[in-house]
Amino acid sequence: GQQLNQSPQSMFIQEGEDVSMNCTSSSIFNTWLWYKQDPGEGPVLLIALYKAGELTSNGRLTAQFGITRKDSFLNISASIPSDVGIYFCAGQLAPEYGNKLVFGAGTILRVKS
Amino acid sequence: DVKVTQSSRYLVKRTGEKVFLECVQDMDHENMFWYRQDPGLGLRLIYFSYDVKMKEKGDIPEGYSVSREKKERFSLILESASTNQTSMYLCASSFGRAETQYFGPGTRLLVL
Repeated sequence: GQQLNQSPQSMFIQEGEDVSMNCTSSSIFNTWLWYKQDPGEGPVLLIALYKAGELTSNGRLTAQFGITRKDSFLNISASIPSDVGIYFCAGQLAPEYGNKLVFGAGTILRVKS
Repeated sequence: DVKVTQSSRYLVKRTGEKVFLECVQDMDHENMFWYRQDPGLGLRLIYFSYDVKMKEKGDIPEGYSVSREKKERFSLILESASTNQTSMYLCASSFGRAETQYFGPGTRLLVL
């Protein structure tokens, strides 16, 4: 079945540092999504990417849809304590596969203040 | 804003009990989904529904069933709860099949 490899699994960073995480797959996706999950809550959508090569920003967040459609990265600039949480990538398959969402295992972000 | 609500945030049940998890969305979304989330495994799709009274199996349907009698409500049923069903359960909805999914806050279920 389709799998997403998300890395790193977890990271500690200093407040103010930039953060980078990525997802790769052997499958091709039509859409890439990045979600953040706070402790005890459901995932909240951060950024959606719909086209290969697309680079999109949302405040301090920047994400890119890889040109091969098999990967995506998320960058967070100047991290702050409220960035703590789990970040998930999700790739959406083509209609012939039911538009199914495939999730990465998550990147746990911990910030040292 | 899209609002997806789940009936309970925390549940404790005993092995063998029948468990109902309810999900309601207020945005007239066609599609609804149930996932379970376990550490290191990400989100795994249990069941989904593209229309009222319609349901399809996801990747891990065993031990679960669902019900969609009304468009806004999607219920997950554990016919006979087992300890390996202890998990975080997340409901999501989307307008179209290729549209972004929006998640509820989750139900953390403990089966003793």
